[in-house]
Amino acid sequence: QVQLVASGGGVVQPGRSLRLPCAASGFPFSTYGIHWVRQAPGKGLEWVAVISFDGSNKNYADSVKGRFTISRDNSKNTVYLQMNSLRAEDTAVYYCVKDRRYCSSSNCNQFDYWGQGTLVTVSS
Amino acid sequence: DVVMTQSPLSLPVTLGQPASISCRSSQSLVYSDGNTYLTWFQQRPGQSPRRLIYKVSKWDSGVPDRFSGSGSGTDFTLKISRVEAEDVGVYYCMQGTHWPPTFGQGTKVEIK
Repeated sequence: QVQLVASGGGVVQPGRSLRLPCAASGFPFSTYGIHWVRQAPGKGLEWVAVISFDGSNKNYADSVKGRFTISRDNSKNTVYLQMNSLRAEDTAVYYCVKDRRYCSSSNCNQFDYWGQGTLVTVSS
Repeated sequence: DVVMTQSPLSLPVTLGQPASISCRSSQSLVYSDGNTYLTWFQQRPGQSPRRLIYKVSKWDSGVPDRFSGSGSGTDFTLKISRVEAEDVGVYYCMQGTHWPPTFGQGTKVEIK
């Protein structure tokens, strides 16, 4: 069955960096778009970034543009979220989410399977 | 960005009774391909979100048929015909028609 396992979370100081991997299994990973969605403690869901099946197209929320980078390694069935210049408001559980086959980023709108999430806390 | 507005934000319900959640978008959600990308998610306490309904009214695999989605244009509804204890949690609507995808604030369903 589909599995998405996000990891790499932890406590980090403001201004520092963190990289979150998301390991996928149970589906032909290299043919599917993947999102990152976050949820601040006790709050709602916020879309963060998406990457196309082949990594050629990426899109970001305005709140993270220029600071976060999404990438993927299809040989390792893994998507990454590189988070730089972290701020207190980036504190959240980060979920990786599978989308549709061969979507190119702006037509990735299925959000059909969600991983278990990893907590990132930005605090001094 | 398209604003998604859910109501109510809190919904106490009696077991076995129906429940209804409204979701309104600030723009029509009809996409250029003719589909309407309105999705409902369920988030049980301590769990990741799970997709229940997509394209307004299509069930995901394993979703009980007591859940149903309806609506068009800018007004959408999620209904639970008879609430069970396992339905407790927060329900979110999301639009995927316009970029970026946006979520409603969430509706917390609890048992009276």
